[in-house]
Amino acid sequence: SFELTQPPSVSVSPGQTARITCSGDTLPKLYAYWYQQRPGQAPVVVIYKDSERPSGIPERFSGSSSGTEATLTISGVQAEDEADYYCQSSHTTDPYVVFGGGTKLTVL
Amino acid sequence: DVNLVESGGGLGQPGRSLRLSCVASGFIFDDYALHWVRQAPGKGLEWVAGVSWNSGTIGYADSVKGRFTISRDNAKNSVYLQMNGLRPEDTAFYYCAKSTDSYLEVAADYYFDFWGQGTLVTVSS
Repeated sequence: SFELTQPPSVSVSPGQTARITCSGDTLPKLYAYWYQQRPGQAPVVVIYKDSERPSGIPERFSGSSSGTEATLTISGVQAEDEADYYCQSSHTTDPYVVFGGGTKLTVL
Repeated sequence: DVNLVESGGGLGQPGRSLRLSCVASGFIFDDYALHWVRQAPGKGLEWVAGVSWNSGTIGYADSVKGRFTISRDNAKNSVYLQMNGLRPEDTAFYYCAKSTDSYLEVAADYYFDFWGQGTLVTVSS
């Protein structure tokens, strides 16, 4: 079955750059989307269509995609960015929507 | 403001049924597809089911196919998830999520721009 693969965890110090990757065979053809989920809260989209940032999301969040890998980059990480991050894409067959396994970002 | 409010969660026994509801406001409800996404405690997000704007297309994850039924009532701005044949592995927070698209299609580019706060379903005897 189709999968999106993320590293389970990423750790960075405040002010550094965090990069979270998402790998999947359909990513060359389909967009990746990124969600942030803080403990006890619903997910919030931080990047859509590989690299677009919704209004209200800080500029330090950016996205890119190349080949089978999409990347969420958080520049100048702040303590408030500590959360779980999930990539999402659609599929070329049923099921329609797939999430990556999630990456826990720890701000040291 | 867009608002999605889920209800209907609680304790369900294995093999029994529960029905979740989600009432939406703040957008033109019948312009968008709606989905259910779940998250087992301490685990990741799992897409469960989706329904297009006019209920013309419905899809399910393999893990719930044949047991769960998604439906919507555009007159009531509501989407439902009928959960039959509950299993302990169905224990999770269930989120209602609004799509950015009207349709439910494979290989399509849409995402979930608004989510409810979730309702907890616990399956245990």
